[in-house]
Amino acid sequence: QQQVKQSPQSLIVQKGGISIINCAYENTAFDYFPWYQQFPGKGPALLIAIRPDVSEKKEGRFTISFNKSAKQFSLHIMDSQPGDSATYFCAASIPLVAYNTDKLIFGTGTRLQVFP
Amino acid sequence: DARVTQTPRHKVTEMGQEVTMRCQPILGHNTVFWYRQTMMQGLELLAYFRNRAPLDDSGMPKDRFSAEMPDATLATLKIQPSEPRDSAVYFCASGSPRRLSAYEAFFGQGTRLTVV
Repeated sequence: QQQVKQSPQSLIVQKGGISIINCAYENTAFDYFPWYQQFPGKGPALLIAIRPDVSEKKEGRFTISFNKSAKQFSLHIMDSQPGDSATYFCAASIPLVAYNTDKLIFGTGTRLQVFP
Repeated sequence: DARVTQTPRHKVTEMGQEVTMRCQPILGHNTVFWYRQTMMQGLELLAYFRNRAPLDDSGMPKDRFSAEMPDATLATLKIQPSEPRDSAVYFCASGSPRRLSAYEAFFGQGTRLTVV
């Protein structure tokens, strides 16, 4: 129940196209949903995050859409560029009530390739 | 340029040997996470420290793994004895005392461990 399921595993998009990555969860205790971008040889870097009381959040070309009733959220990359080629991870934050903090459960990742 | 520094970047060792991975969190950060990344399991939280005290190490195999923070500028993850199944990339991430959520932590570049 603490899993976050991510799809697809890999995605090939032409430059200028829209990249869409989907995630689904079961645990309603999750209270924050970040997305990370990881380039080869680097650590994951926070891209954008959303709370479950918001249905959409946009930052530049990156948009998170959140469907609380369906327990699904997705990342849309508009006008995809070759520089966006990376692995993308969704995650969900679960409270650690005893410590007044939280921890992350990650999806399995999507390798995005954007071709010119 | 504040960053999380991990050493070594790469380590190849023989089965049964002790491995120590080091992490220098961003100066002033008081939260440290250790993650393991593999193709099969993705990113998994191993241990979580705040103010040098362990908050959650439930993701860490206790029989061979140990994590410590001898001081505020150094976190270590030790595997003894190492096994081929420990081969993975190990990431450290650090978080600011003003940003308590796990998703706001900054990742290092990782230590790629190969156990032969």
